[in-house]
Amino acid sequence: AQSVAQPEDQVNVAEGNPLTVKCTYSVSGNPYLFWYVQYPNRGLQFLLKYITGDNLVKGSYGFEAEFNKSQTSFHLKKPSALVSDSALYFCAVRDMGNTPLVFGKGTRLSVIA
Amino acid sequence: DAGVIQSPRHEVTEMGQEVTLRCKPISGHNSLFWYRQTMMRGLELLIYFNNNVPIDDSGMPEDRFSAKMPNASFSTLKIQPSEPRDSAVYFCASSFAGANPEQFFGPGTRLTVL
Repeated sequence: AQSVAQPEDQVNVAEGNPLTVKCTYSVSGNPYLFWYVQYPNRGLQFLLKYITGDNLVKGSYGFEAEFNKSQTSFHLKKPSALVSDSALYFCAVRDMGNTPLVFGKGTRLSVIA
Repeated sequence: DAGVIQSPRHEVTEMGQEVTLRCKPISGHNSLFWYRQTMMRGLELLIYFNNNVPIDDSGMPEDRFSAKMPNASFSTLKIQPSEPRDSAVYFCASSFAGANPEQFFGPGTRLTVL
């Protein structure tokens, strides 16, 4: 069975500093990996995905994520955090079949001015 | 494209009443998903459809919950009778089973059962 772990409930970072939101996954076979962001009272918005190819994936709003197969990780990163990045971030995984995404429990990012 | 459309955006009802949530997926998408989000349980998959056919409803909490997808452009999630513990935000998402497997979410319906 597929699963995703987001080990941190909350991440605090100062504006302008780099940020990392951690995600590890478990899936049989090759994974499809995703990051979503949820702002207050909004639905989840797609940020980026890894399907195949380059391990460093670039997405919306300056975010990127690095796929590490040996560590089964897919951490979300941004070189310089903005206050407007404060939101709830979800990592998700699915296998290559046409199955639903399996979501982590989410990490709340707080960027402090 | 307008994205995934959900209605109503907010619903307040009394315990025992029937509640119907509606979803219009993105045109051309052939998979549709219903999720529920609460503070306690996070984001839970309730049911999903491929090509209008329910594939997995193991996440539906009780027989009080039912979902239908009569055509490719419309789905409903019904709760009858509703209970206070059903209060949550219900999201609909759609995707196309192909090269771009990401799901696109609607804005959600915030349900409050008094």
